[in-house]
Amino acid sequence: DAGVIQSPRHEVTEMGQEVTLRCKPISGHDYLFWYRQTMMRGLELLIYFNNNVPIDDSGMPEDRFSAKMPNASFSTLKIQPSEPRDSAVYFCASSTRTARWSQHFGDGTRLSIL
Amino acid sequence: SQQGEEDPQALSIQEGENATMNCSYKTSINNLQWYRQNSGRGLVHLILIRSNEREKHSGRLRVTLDTSKKSSSLLITASRAADTASYFCATDAERNNDMRFGAGTRLTVKP
Repeated sequence: DAGVIQSPRHEVTEMGQEVTLRCKPISGHDYLFWYRQTMMRGLELLIYFNNNVPIDDSGMPEDRFSAKMPNASFSTLKIQPSEPRDSAVYFCASSTRTARWSQHFGDGTRLSIL
Repeated sequence: SQQGEEDPQALSIQEGENATMNCSYKTSINNLQWYRQNSGRGLVHLILIRSNEREKHSGRLRVTLDTSKKSSSLLITASRAADTASYFCATDAERNNDMRFGAGTRLTVKP
């Protein structure tokens, strides 16, 4: 059974460019979470969805960040324009309604903004 | 923002020894969980303990929770080199039900 799939695994781009991170959650999972991990701030929850609807986006740092979930099997996190301080590892996780806090993580996208 | 704080930040032990990691948190919680993260990988859920539970076991893992002290501990018995990873506690606060992770403990088990 496939786990959470994220793409790309690595992204290097120049400041000011648009960055799109992709996530395919585990089939049948109702919740999808986006996290950012840095040495300085640890693991931060950015936004989460329930049944494709954004529930809490209070962790999204700025208007430059946006996330969508057009269907149950796909979500994107977009940064436009990107800045060097956005460099981090971005994780997507999913979970079921009955085990919301037992989240399954993807292997992350390591993003470097030059 | 982080809710839990793990202690110690780093721990190095020999294979076969036990490893104990602690987590403290600030606000009342519904659940506390422990996750493991291997280098370059995503987090893996290990165990969940509810606020009305005091101790839970899963294989070589033993988790305790003291809500009066707002703290939890994770004990890994008979450690193996494969246990080398970072371990995070995560809490979901009663107030807003969001999950928050601590900064993690980096465990190294030497063969």
